[in-house]
Amino acid sequence: AQSVTQPDIHITVSEGASLELRCNYSYGATPYLFWYVQSPGQGLQLLLKYFSGDTLVQGIKGFEAEFKRSQSSFNLRKPSVHWSDAAEYFCAVGGGGGSYIPTFGRGTSLIVHP
Amino acid sequence: DTAVSQTPKYLVTQMGNDKSIKCEQNLGHDTMYWYKQDSKKFLKIMFSYNNKELIINETVPNRFSPKSPDKAHLNLHINSLELGDSAVYFCASSDGGMPTDTQYFGPGTRLTVL
Repeated sequence: AQSVTQPDIHITVSEGASLELRCNYSYGATPYLFWYVQSPGQGLQLLLKYFSGDTLVQGIKGFEAEFKRSQSSFNLRKPSVHWSDAAEYFCAVGGGGGSYIPTFGRGTSLIVHP
Repeated sequence: DTAVSQTPKYLVTQMGNDKSIKCEQNLGHDTMYWYKQDSKKFLKIMFSYNNKELIINETVPNRFSPKSPDKAHLNLHINSLELGDSAVYFCASSDGGMPTDTQYFGPGTRLTVL
């Protein structure tokens, strides 16, 4: 069975500092991996996704993530955080073919200090 | 201009009642989904419809019945509401039903069962 672990419930950073949010997955084959952001009172928005190819994926809003098969990780990074990045971040894993069931992590809440 | 809209945004009701949540997307997508986000922010897929046909039904009690009158709408009807149904329900849509397809989420409906 597939699973996703986001070990950090909360992360606090200062505005302008770099950010890394951790995500570890368990999946039997090559996974499809996603990062979503959820602002307060809003639905989820896709930041980036990985299916194959280059293991460093660029997304929207200046985010990137790196797929490391040996570590079963797909960590999200941003070099300089803005106050508007404060939100909940979800990592998700899914498989290929036909109908698929995505599995989401429990989310990491990002707090940005001025 | 809203891509995926849900009504109502908030729903407070008594145990045992029957309620519906409506979802509409104006993106021309073929596939629509319902997700449940519990109080711990775990997000789990409930249903998926492709061109009005059910393709995913994830171990959801049969008190929950999705209905898709056309491919732009996917409504969720819940019978005999229970306390454990309290959650935020998200509707989403994608162009196809493949994991490579980006899902677009609505703003959510917060259901509170008293």
